[in-house]
Amino acid sequence: DIQMTQSPSSLSASIGDTVTITCRASQSIGGFLNWYQQRPGKAPKLLMFAVSALQSGVPARFSGYVSGTDFFLTISGLQPEDFATYYCQQTYSSPPWTFGQGTRVEIK
Amino acid sequence: VQLVESGGGLIQPGGSLRLSCAVSGLTVSSNNMSWVRQAPGRGLEWVSVIYTGDSSDYADAVRGRFIISRDNSKNTVYLQMASLRAEDTAVYFCARHYVEEVEWFGELRYTDVWGKGTAVTVSS
Repeated sequence: DIQMTQSPSSLSASIGDTVTITCRASQSIGGFLNWYQQRPGKAPKLLMFAVSALQSGVPARFSGYVSGTDFFLTISGLQPEDFATYYCQQTYSSPPWTFGQGTRVEIK
Repeated sequence: VQLVESGGGLIQPGGSLRLSCAVSGLTVSSNNMSWVRQAPGRGLEWVSVIYTGDSSDYADAVRGRFIISRDNSKNTVYLQMASLRAEDTAVYFCARHYVEEVEWFGELRYTDVWGKGTAVTVSS
């Protein structure tokens, strides 16, 4: 199975800060990388698919890019509603479509 | 579009439970439907998918114990869970696994619609 390793596991930041979350795949997965946001007690929400394509309704302060098997989610100018846990997921080839372990973004 | 899970609860180890996902706003027979779970305080874990062509796939942790199915007449997806273990304790989310062929990428695959989840607790 393909392993997805996210870092950091948590981070503290202030409103207006720019933060970047990393997700590393254990093998090449092409561009089959999606990002989700989950607020406490809620279902996950799709933010981005195919590395950098924003889901409809997601603000442009969210961006994604890739370098080899490292994938990055950047939030430029954190807003109060962005404090949540973020997960990457690979959908390369057949299941299992594994998730990273999550990155919790907290208010400093 | 709305996905509403039900059927969760407290069950003893070794027991069985069937989760349901009632879907409105999309047709389950025309969509790939997945189950994803989240143990308390833990991350997301993909569990199973049923494809439009009726085939299915499972995570190794549940293969042989869980069965995914759908009832097209009720527009509902099910997860039949047997031989339950403490490690199956989680919130189970029903979701649509969207697949689309696009020129700029090829085949897009992502989970775009989620239910609110139903909690399963396996404990004596």
